[in-house]
Amino acid sequence: ELKVEQNPLFLSMQEGKNYTIYCNYSTTSDRLYWYRQDPGKSLESLFVLLSNGAVKQEGRLMASLDTKARLSTLHITAAVHDLSATYFCAVDVSWDSNYQLIWGAGTKLIIKP
Amino acid sequence: KAGVTQTPRYLIKTRGQQVTLSCSPISGHRSVSWYQQTPGQGLQFLFEYFSETQRNKGNFPGRFSGRQFSNSRSEMNVSTLELGDSALYLCASTGPEGTDTQYFGPGTRLTVL
Repeated sequence: ELKVEQNPLFLSMQEGKNYTIYCNYSTTSDRLYWYRQDPGKSLESLFVLLSNGAVKQEGRLMASLDTKARLSTLHITAAVHDLSATYFCAVDVSWDSNYQLIWGAGTKLIIKP
Repeated sequence: KAGVTQTPRYLIKTRGQQVTLSCSPISGHRSVSWYQQTPGQGLQFLFEYFSETQRNKGNFPGRFSGRQFSNSRSEMNVSTLELGDSALYLCASTGPEGTDTQYFGPGTRLTVL
């Protein structure tokens, strides 16, 4: 079964702290996406990770991909309130001449001042 | 560049009715994907259109259909609505940048009574 599992699903943290969100997936894929969704809003692309060992950083967010372990991490450094949102990872998979993104359940991140 | 637009933003329908949702992709983008987002099932892929042809399809019943026009605008139709069809329907367009990043519209919130 194709699965993308995120953990934790809910995270409440203080400003200034560091934390990591994990994204495990069950099938071979060389392409992983991270998106952010604010309450009542649409999805905003954060990172596209295209190969094993890929690391991308934007501000206080850093994402990495280990295709052998089928694991991606989204690391938050010195969190600020504006980063409060739900974060999704999605994996590009193909089968039976079909392909699609399989999404994790999302990690709801609340950062308290 | 204007982003992905979706109309209408909100819809209320009753069981048994049908509904058509519209999506206009970013100018120059030829691929449009549709997703259903619910609290219980998360984000689920419906289908993707490219150059007026359905290129990929998720695991939804035949009541869900779509089409794409020559200007890349896409419509999604749901017939014989059920209560469980209440959801946020998101469309995303993909451009030729090579990373296949999907840019999402604001979504259409469908409520079925």
